[in-house]
Amino acid sequence: TQLLEQSPQFLSIQEGENLTVYCNSSSVFSSLQWYRQEPGEGPVLLVTVVTGGEVKKLKRLTFQFGDARKDSSLHITAAQPGDTGLYLCAGAYSGAGSYQLTFGKGTKLSVIP
Amino acid sequence: DVKVTQSSRYLVKRTGEKVFLECVQDMDHENMFWYRQDPGLGLRLIYFSYDVKMKEKGDIPEGYSVSREKKERFSLILESASTNQTSMYLCASSLIEGFGSIDQPQHFGDGTRLSIL
Repeated sequence: TQLLEQSPQFLSIQEGENLTVYCNSSSVFSSLQWYRQEPGEGPVLLVTVVTGGEVKKLKRLTFQFGDARKDSSLHITAAQPGDTGLYLCAGAYSGAGSYQLTFGKGTKLSVIP
Repeated sequence: DVKVTQSSRYLVKRTGEKVFLECVQDMDHENMFWYRQDPGLGLRLIYFSYDVKMKEKGDIPEGYSVSREKKERFSLILESASTNQTSMYLCASSLIEGFGSIDQPQHFGDGTRLSIL
């Protein structure tokens, strides 16, 4: 099993602040996916990064894939209460018959108005 | 939109019972997955299937089995439920586009919160 360390586990910030969530591994992943999960729902894909060094932006969210494809970060600018949720990173690798994802343990973000 | 439907949102069973969790997807996806999600442990893969009647063990298959008789349906079976199987169970599906396609996102159901008493 390939491990993905995600930090911090919990984050509570004021509206308007910036924050960064990190995912690190000693393994190389073919791609890195970021999901967001609301209470009572399943995770929903935010973005996939594929190329080492790649940066993708989704409004106030910036995702980066490390040059060596072992780590990734999610940066949120001027956080809003609507950003509250559980953020999960997931590394893709080839497994038996198809690909699999290994998930980080998640970052629970609370944005206080 | 892809829809992954899990048969129950909440389920309460007793120790020793045989428990079936059902999952149906409507987008003709080849891959289907069962995870459990526990606080502090994240999502852990129990079993997955990349074709009808095919199944592969994930990271924590002990105490579970699966069935995939039709492409759209993937069932998780707890042969003899135990209290340590109390958890949130999530089903997911994804496409294969050619061999080794690894960028396909997984589409999740809303989960079944299972309590074993």
